[in-house]
Amino acid sequence: QKEVEQDPGPLSVPEGAIVSLNCTYSNSAFQYFMWYRQYSRKGPELLMYTYSSGNKEDGRFTAQVDKSSKYISLFIRDSQPSDSATYLCASGGSNYKLTFGKGTLLTVNP
Amino acid sequence: GAGVSQSPSNKVTEKGKDVELRCDPISGHTALYWYRQSLGQGLEFLIYFQGNSAPDKSGLPSDRFSAERTGGSVSTLTIQRTQQEDSAVYLCASSRDRDNGYTFGSGTRLTVV
Repeated sequence: QKEVEQDPGPLSVPEGAIVSLNCTYSNSAFQYFMWYRQYSRKGPELLMYTYSSGNKEDGRFTAQVDKSSKYISLFIRDSQPSDSATYLCASGGSNYKLTFGKGTLLTVNP
Repeated sequence: GAGVSQSPSNKVTEKGKDVELRCDPISGHTALYWYRQSLGQGLEFLIYFQGNSAPDKSGLPSDRFSAERTGGSVSTLTIQRTQQEDSAVYLCASSRDRDNGYTFGSGTRLTVV
């Protein structure tokens, strides 16, 4: 079992939809959780960072972590065509190394 | 510079040749990481630098792969005797510390023919 599993998608939604992206992790030592967005032929870009259970909101984006079930989610409200990208979840523990999910390709159709 | 800079952006090489990939991290970022991204495989950790030392090289796939960092800044990833399975996007990232997450470069797309 990989340490971070991510729904592979691809996911296609109409503009304005609420998008839910999900990951699970198996390593109990993971303490912090991130979501990255990656546009085609670009490097991943940090979207959200959290290290506690609960919700963290930033504009249209909400990151949710449930450490008891080892579940990580990213919600995108009022999705826009510009949100079309690959979304990567990542987790890390007491060291420096991040473990990434394989990514979910999201397409938001106008 | 303002971001992590990687060069070249694209590299096509013949099987058996050596290649060097360069990463110029954000000024002041002491930690530097190399990852590899293959289609359908996600990001695979290769090596981590803290300053000029590499406390974790565990992700390097074989002894054909090596990396160095000089002056606590620029890093070079070298692949000797390239094979077709080395074809991937090689991503470099840097961070000031863990709590700020990584900043990635745009990567080097390596194609071995």
